[in-house]
Amino acid sequence: GENVEQHPSTLSVQEGDSAVIKCTYSDSASNYFPWYKQELGKRPQLIIDIRSNVGEKKDQRIAVTLNKTAKHFSLHITETQPEDSAVYFCAATFDNDMRFGAGTRLTVKP
Amino acid sequence: DAGVIQSPRHEVTEMGQEVTLRCKPISGHDYLFWYRQTMMRGLELLIYFNNNVPIDDSGMPEDRFSAKMPNASFSTLKIQPSEPRDSAVYFCASRRQGSTDTQYFGPGTRLTVL
Repeated sequence: GENVEQHPSTLSVQEGDSAVIKCTYSDSASNYFPWYKQELGKRPQLIIDIRSNVGEKKDQRIAVTLNKTAKHFSLHITETQPEDSAVYFCAATFDNDMRFGAGTRLTVKP
Repeated sequence: DAGVIQSPRHEVTEMGQEVTLRCKPISGHDYLFWYRQTMMRGLELLIYFNNNVPIDDSGMPEDRFSAKMPNASFSTLKIQPSEPRDSAVYFCASRRQGSTDTQYFGPGTRLTVL
């Protein structure tokens, strides 16, 4: 089955700086890569996703890139704000099997 | 749209008791997923249903866990008997038919087994 590795496990940045979270996956057939943000005590919520026929997608301060050859994808957050502090999960999906990374705890210091 | 609904939101029980978690998926969604989240193991897929039929239960930890989906708008996850190591947050999620459609999570049930 699919195996997703996520790095780093914790990330601390200064407000206004950029944050990058990286994930690798093992199954080359995976075709859908969502990113979820989970605030303390809340449910995971989709913030951005990318499909395998696209190399990059951007939504305001958030962007995701996908390298199918290398089987890795990354989340980029620019101009970070304290409200970006949360745990971020990447996931990779083939068919109906969605596997999550272990999560990255992002702290944005004011 | 009310989103995915789960109940109860919190459950505290004693070891050996039966626990039933409930989920109502988003109307029109064909897939329903049950996840367990712990600090040690992260987000784990336990089981998922397509059109009320269980498709993959390989993530169910052991026979003490069972799940049902009697109709398109209701699913249960039952633990009997419960053990302290079952303490976790259990999320239900649903999505439409396509494998690249967005998966929406419910608010979760925080289970504590004493």
